[in-house]
Amino acid sequence: NAGVMQNPRHLVRRRGQEARLRCSPMKGHSHVYWYRQLPEEGLKFMVYLQKENIIDESGMPKERFSAEFPKEGPSILRIQQVVRGDSAAYFCASSLQDLKQYFGPGTRLTVT
Amino acid sequence: EDKVVQSPLSLVVHEGDTVTLNCSYEVTNFRSLLWYKQEKKAPTFLFMLTSSGIEKKSGRLSSILDKKELFSILNITATQTGDSAVYLCAVEARNRDDKIIFGKGTRLHILP
Repeated sequence: NAGVMQNPRHLVRRRGQEARLRCSPMKGHSHVYWYRQLPEEGLKFMVYLQKENIIDESGMPKERFSAEFPKEGPSILRIQQVVRGDSAAYFCASSLQDLKQYFGPGTRLTVT
Repeated sequence: EDKVVQSPLSLVVHEGDTVTLNCSYEVTNFRSLLWYKQEKKAPTFLFMLTSSGIEKKSGRLSSILDKKELFSILNITATQTGDSAVYLCAVEARNRDDKIIFGKGTRLHILP
């Protein structure tokens, strides 16, 4: 059973461009969580999704950030008009029915 | 291949017991080891360890790193039901990838 997969592993964007981060949960998992890790800080919760539904987006910035988890395909975290402060590692985790979360390898976003 | 292995995967003890959670790793260019407590949503940061043999302590929790044997332990003394959670270990690698690798976590359940 393959683990949680994230791609790309590294993403470089210029200020103002869009960043799309993808997360494929473990097989059979229908719950996906996105986190951001800033340098020297712990993980910050962003959003919790189930298939086709956003359950909790209390950690998501109100502007420029959006997330989806369609019926088919990976979950996508989208950041529009990126700024330098968006540079961070973004982690996705998946779980079975809101139980133990399994983390992906992360996507490191660098905004130049 | 870089990896982080936590043991045990789950543990059930009685309130008042002392528990020791283990985290071993194989990572190229180790930078730091992090412990998190995960209850409902986002993991809560506990400790960051970078130097061997120096114990970090916070209340009833303590942790130590052995860089020669490539492992860390997290100790919880006089456990309480509120300590029930999943405890995650993650290792940061200092290299071109700058990656963070998570273990699968230890699910701790404290019986009253």
